[in-house]
Amino acid sequence: AQSVAQPEDQVNVAEGNPLTVKCTYSVSGNPYLFWYVQYPNRGLQFLLKYITGDNLVKGSYGFEAEFNKSQTSFHLKKPSALVSDSALYFCAVIRRALTFGSGTRLQVQP
Amino acid sequence: DAGVIQSPRHEVTEMGQEVTLRCKPISGHNSLFWYRQTMMRGLELLIYFNNNVPIDDSGMPEDRFSAKMPNASFSTLKIQPSEPRDSAVYFCASSFNRDTDTQYFGPGTRLTVL
Repeated sequence: AQSVAQPEDQVNVAEGNPLTVKCTYSVSGNPYLFWYVQYPNRGLQFLLKYITGDNLVKGSYGFEAEFNKSQTSFHLKKPSALVSDSALYFCAVIRRALTFGSGTRLQVQP
Repeated sequence: DAGVIQSPRHEVTEMGQEVTLRCKPISGHNSLFWYRQTMMRGLELLIYFNNNVPIDDSGMPEDRFSAKMPNASFSTLKIQPSEPRDSAVYFCASSFNRDTDTQYFGPGTRLTVL
């Protein structure tokens, strides 16, 4: 069975500061990992994915994620947070269909 | 491209009534997924289709739920009879290849069963 864990229900960061949203995974075989963002009353929007290759993946809206095989982690990062980044973030692993983490609410304070 | 289209966006019904949710995937995508989001259970897969054929329906809660994909551009998720515990947001997503390709989500249908 495959799973992802997001250990933080909420992350608070000040605008302009770097942000990290944590994700760890458990899969058999090669992990195919995704980050999605959900704004209030909206669907999920794709941010980035790791399939193979470079451990640092760049995505939409200035987000990036670092794949670490030894720590089985895929943390989402952004060098400088914006208030508009405030949303619910989901890490997911795919094997045919997506298995999502529980989500992390990011709150960026002005 | 218009993206994945879902209708209705909101549905309020009474317990025991039949509910039908609709989805139009992105043109050219050959995989379609139905997910449900609740506070208690988070996001969970209900069923997915590949080339209009149901591949895995193990996530469908019970026999009251059924899904069809009569052609490449349309799918329905039906609940009959509906119950208050079915209240949730139902998302449809589509992709080119089910294994590793990016899934694109519709805006969801918020279902409330009274």
